[in-house]
Amino acid sequence: GAGVSQSPRYKVAKRGQDVALRCDPISGHVSLFWYQQALGQGPEFLTYFQNEAQLDKSGLPSDRFFAERPEGSVSTLKIQRTQQEDSAVYLCASSPLTVDTQYFGPGTRLTVL
Amino acid sequence: SQQGEEDPQALSIQEGENATMNCSYKTSINNLQWYRQNSGRGLVHLILIRSNEREKHSGRLRVTLDTSKKSSSLLITASRAADTASYFCATDAGNTGFQKLVFGTGTRLLVSP
Repeated sequence: GAGVSQSPRYKVAKRGQDVALRCDPISGHVSLFWYQQALGQGPEFLTYFQNEAQLDKSGLPSDRFFAERPEGSVSTLKIQRTQQEDSAVYLCASSPLTVDTQYFGPGTRLTVL
Repeated sequence: SQQGEEDPQALSIQEGENATMNCSYKTSINNLQWYRQNSGRGLVHLILIRSNEREKHSGRLRVTLDTSKKSSSLLITASRAADTASYFCATDAGNTGFQKLVFGTGTRLLVSP
């Protein structure tokens, strides 16, 4: 079956622009995670959804970051007024239940100029 | 912030040789997982070891866990060029009701033909 997909794969934004990153999890997966991976580093947790409920957003760097999953499937990570330090790869992962193995998408590489 | 560190940061070996990577972490855990990331791609789950386990095998992979030293090692035997990738350990500290993974800094493995 299809894995986790993310779009766009690459995004270049000018500083100050808003961006929206999309994640299509594996069908039926309850849990959805967003991670941020800076160059040369491991991924860092941003936020977690169980179905449509955002249960943990403790990793979001600032109030410019907002994530939603309104129908419990597709999720969007939105970054307002992008800054250069937002440049990173944004990874989405899903899992069937809350404590199962996470399946990662290919990521969206965001470059803020 | 990262949970811990991996050692070495980079490792270069010849095909057929074994590769050993180490991971240290800071807090008590429920389980520890190893992931592989090929250049420009998402993370792939390799193996999970629970806090009450000391050693686990999966194909050419062998993972050990020493909770007293808060450390783990990943051994890849008879390496192949296709094993070239970055390897990350990730810990689940629990108490959240879901797998809130905290990743290490990663080891970049290069396997030359």
